[in-house]
Amino acid sequence: GENVEQHPSTLSVQEGDSAVIKCTYSDSASNYFPWYKQELGKRPQLIIDIRSNVGEKKDQRIAVTLNKTAKHFSLHITETQPEDSAVYFCAASTGRNDMRFGAGTRLTVKP
Amino acid sequence: EAGVTQFPSHSVIEKGQTVTLRCDPISGHDNLYWYRRVMGKEIKFLLHFVKESKQDESGMPNNRFLAERTGGTYSTLKVQPAELEDSGVYFCASSRTHDTQYFGPGTRLTVL
Repeated sequence: GENVEQHPSTLSVQEGDSAVIKCTYSDSASNYFPWYKQELGKRPQLIIDIRSNVGEKKDQRIAVTLNKTAKHFSLHITETQPEDSAVYFCAASTGRNDMRFGAGTRLTVKP
Repeated sequence: EAGVTQFPSHSVIEKGQTVTLRCDPISGHDNLYWYRRVMGKEIKFLLHFVKESKQDESGMPNNRFLAERTGGTYSTLKVQPAELEDSGVYFCASSRTHDTQYFGPGTRLTVL
């Protein structure tokens, strides 16, 4: 089955800096890669996703990149703000209801 | 639309006791998933329902866990008898299609 590795487990940046979180997956048939953000005490919420037919997707300050050959994908947050502090989870799915998640990255943005 | 809801939000029980967690998915979502997260680890898949049928229960740890979704609406996850290693946050998610999943707030289970 699918195995998703996520790094780093913790990340601390200064406000205004960029943050990058990286994930690798094992199943070459995976074609859907969502990213979830979980703020303290709240539910994981989808913030952006990418499908295997594109290499990059951007939404304001966040972007995801996908390298299908290397089987890795990354989340990029630019101009970080304190409200970006949360745990971020990547996931991968083949589209057959088999989504598997990474272990999460705790991002802290210091003002 | 109303989101996924879970009950209770917290549960503290003693080893050997029984606990039942409930999930109400978003109305119209046929797909319902249960996950568990132990501190610092991944959100681990437990099982997946399509309507009232178990589509995939490969992630269920053992036969102390029983999930049901009678009538294809809400779902329950019962742990009987609970063990210390069952502690964690249990998430439920639902989806209309095979990709975007919407999560509930989770139930934090502590087994003492």
